[in-house]
Amino acid sequence: EILMTQSPATLSVSLGDRATLSCRASQSIGSNLAWYQQRRGQAPRLLIYGASTRAAGIAARFSGSGSGTEFTLTINNLQSEDFAVYYCQPYNEWPPETFGQGTRLEIK
Amino acid sequence: EVQLVQSGAEVKKPGESLKISCKGSGYTFTSYWIAWVRQVPGRGLEWMGTIYADDSDTRYSPAFQGQVTISVDKSIKTAYLQWSSLKASDSAMYYCARHGSYIDFWGQGSLVTVSS
Repeated sequence: EILMTQSPATLSVSLGDRATLSCRASQSIGSNLAWYQQRRGQAPRLLIYGASTRAAGIAARFSGSGSGTEFTLTINNLQSEDFAVYYCQPYNEWPPETFGQGTRLEIK
Repeated sequence: EVQLVQSGAEVKKPGESLKISCKGSGYTFTSYWIAWVRQVPGRGLEWMGTIYADDSDTRYSPAFQGQVTISVDKSIKTAYLQWSSLKASDSAMYYCARHGSYIDFWGQGSLVTVSS
């Protein structure tokens, strides 16, 4: 079973600044990683798949990087609507049952 | 436009049964799997299981095997999650989600509250 560790648990960043969120896998997953955003009171939505490909309609200020076991989600020029919880999910195994525990991005 | 529309909030008593639904539209329903994901308030996402909409091939997460039943009626493009005897610990938000390798669309969620 793959374990995903997201850090930090909570990240406080100012509007307009950059946020860097990390996700670490317990074993190599190649580039088989997705990121999801969950705003308060809403369902999650897909942001990134293939570790670095933005999903349709996702703003260019969101970018993903990494491969193997270390992954990063970077959000530039933070907007108010970006303050949410972010989850990573590996999908090198099927079905993709594992989620990271999430990082809460809050306004500083 | 791809949509997964879930049934509404439910309030039930322990021991009661429940079936919630997830109707797909805007895509070829039988070409995808539909997963169910639980979220206890204030907590993370838990994968419960998934079903292939074309042939009802179903895979359960070990933690939920025997606790719930996932089914699908492809004629009406609807997937279901059901309980035969609810417990207070089943209180949570439940999401359906379309996936192939990864989840690309989510339903809006169905809130289930189990309380005596």
